[in-house]
Parts: sequence; structure tokens; C-alpha cells
Amino acid sequence: GDSVTQMEGPVTLSEEAFLTINCTYTATGYPSLFWYVQYPGEGLQLLLKATKADDKGSNKGFEATYRKETTSFHLEKGSVQVSDSAVYFCAEDTGTASKLTFGTGTRLQVTL
Amino acid sequence: NAGVTQTPKFQVLKTGQSMTLQCAQDMNHEYMSWYRQDPGMGLRLIHYSVGAGITDQGEVPNGYNVSRSTTEDFPLRLLSAAPSQTSVYFCATRAGVGEQFFGPGTRLTVL
Repeated sequence: GDSVTQMEGPVTLSEEAFLTINCTYTATGYPSLFWYVQYPGEGLQLLLKATKADDKGSNKGFEATYRKETTSFHLEKGSVQVSDSAVYFCAEDTGTASKLTFGTGTRLQVTL
Repeated sequence: NAGVTQTPKFQVLKTGQSMTLQCAQDMNHEYMSWYRQDPGMGLRLIHYSVGAGITDQGEVPNGYNVSRSTTEDFPLRLLSAAPSQTSVYFCATRAGVGEQFFGPGTRLTVL
């Protein structure tokens, strides 16, 4: 079946450092791709999305580009803040009713 | 507009007990899902529903039952709890292909 692979965590960065969290997917065709963020003690919330090849999703300084040729959707941010500390999940949606396939999550810890 | 609500927030059960996790939404979304979140495994789909009266199994359905009698509610039932069902459970809704909206979660411990 379809799967999403994202880099192992935890990732520990100093404030203002550059962030990359890698994500690759296996679904064929043109799935929609998402990054969700989970802050401590909360549910997941959508961070950004892209629905077709070469689309760039962006929100709160984060961005990710849908790369069909490498089946990737890497998350980047130029300058992280302590408030970005959370768990980040990459997910794909092939349109099969209601089903998102999630990666295992990457915990980000940002220190002063 | 409450979005997606889940009750209870925390629950401790003994092995063999039954319980129902409640999920309600006020967004009039047709699709609703239940996921469980375990360390190192991401979120795994338990059951889902594409509308009132229609449910189907996800990736890890064993030990769980669901029903969908209304658009708003999608309860998850554990008939005989096992320690392997210790997890955090999330309910989610969506309007179609696109963003899913998640509830705050229920943290369940089975002793």
C-alpha cells in the first residue's frame, strides 16, 4: 500500500537556524500532499498543502514544494523560533474516501 | 463554532472493560475518521465514514466498532479493552478531498 517516509527525529536546532524535514511518498498518480503540525497536548492542525506537481505550499514561514520527479515534499523554514517546537507530520491523500496516509512524525525542538 | 469535539479527554480502563469514545462535529462534513497515534508509528486509520449510515474499516480496525447514525456524531466503541489499545485517539472530519480537521484527542490507558 501507499506509504509516507519522513526523517527520524528528534531534530534539535538553535533559534534562527534553517530547518529541513525530508518527506517522500509512494502513491502513484498525483496525490495531494500535506504537512500537519502537532503542538504538545493538542490535535493535529494543517500547516500547508500542495495539490499538484510543482505547487509550493506555504504558511507561517514554512514552505514545501511538490516534486513529482523525486516523489518528495520536504518542509523548510529559513529561521526557526522556539514556538515552532512541535511534531511535524507529512501526509498524502490519494482521494480514496477519507483516507490520509501519515508519516511517523518528526519532533522538532528549538532552543535559545 | 466548536469544530470537532471529543470526549472524554482522558480515560483509564481495566482489561476487558468496554467504553465509547465520543466525537461530534458542527461543520456539516460528510467524511469522518478515527485514528490512533502511537509513538514511532504516526497516525493509523481505524475506521471511517463517508456519510450517515456508511462506515468502513481502515488500517487497524480489530477491537473497535463504529456507527454513523447522524452527520454530526461518529462514536468509537471498544467492546473489550486490551492493553494494546492504550493510545491517543483522534477523530477527524473533512468536506471532501482536502484538509482534515482534527479533534483534541482522547488519551486512553488500558491496565
